[in-house]
Amino acid sequence: GENVEQHPSTLSVQEGDSAVIKCTYSDSASNYFPWYKQELGKRPQLIIDIRSNVGEKKDQRIAVTLNKTAKHFSLHITETQPEDSAVYFCAARGPSGGYNKLIFGAGTRLAVHP
Amino acid sequence: DVKVTQSSRYLVKRTGEKVFLECVQDMDHENMFWYRQDPGLGLRLIYFSYDVKMKEKGDIPEGYSVSREKKERFSLILESASTNQTSMYLCATGLNTEAFFGQGTRLTVV
Repeated sequence: GENVEQHPSTLSVQEGDSAVIKCTYSDSASNYFPWYKQELGKRPQLIIDIRSNVGEKKDQRIAVTLNKTAKHFSLHITETQPEDSAVYFCAARGPSGGYNKLIFGAGTRLAVHP
Repeated sequence: DVKVTQSSRYLVKRTGEKVFLECVQDMDHENMFWYRQDPGLGLRLIYFSYDVKMKEKGDIPEGYSVSREKKERFSLILESASTNQTSMYLCATGLNTEAFFGQGTRLTVV
């Protein structure tokens, strides 16, 4: 089955700096890669996603890149702000066994210091 | 707005008890999922269901079972709770892409 590895587990940056979180996946049939943000005490929420037919996607200060050959994808946050502090999860979805399911990475705790 | 509601926010149970965690969604989604969240391990899939009365094992199904008698409701059952099942449990639903999560149930087994 699918396996998703995520690095780093913790990341500390100064406000205004960029942050990059990287994930690798094992199943070459995976075709959808979302990123979720979980603020303290809250549920995970989708912030951006990318499909396997696209190499890069941007939404204001966040962007995601996908390298299908290497089977890795990354989240880039520019001009970080304190409200970006949260746990970020990457995930991969593939037609495993004919049914769609999301497999998540272990998460990255991002701290943005003023 | 999709609403995914878990029956309890916090739960404390004794070792050996049978525990039911309930999840209800209001968007007529076919797919429903149960994850557990542990520090450093992320979200691990326990079971999922793609239709009423259908279920599939996820990555860590041992010690758990599920029930999906109605489309909107997906129950996670701990047949005999153990201390290593102390965790945050998250229900999710989604149609094709985005997963919508419930608020989570923090279960403590003592």
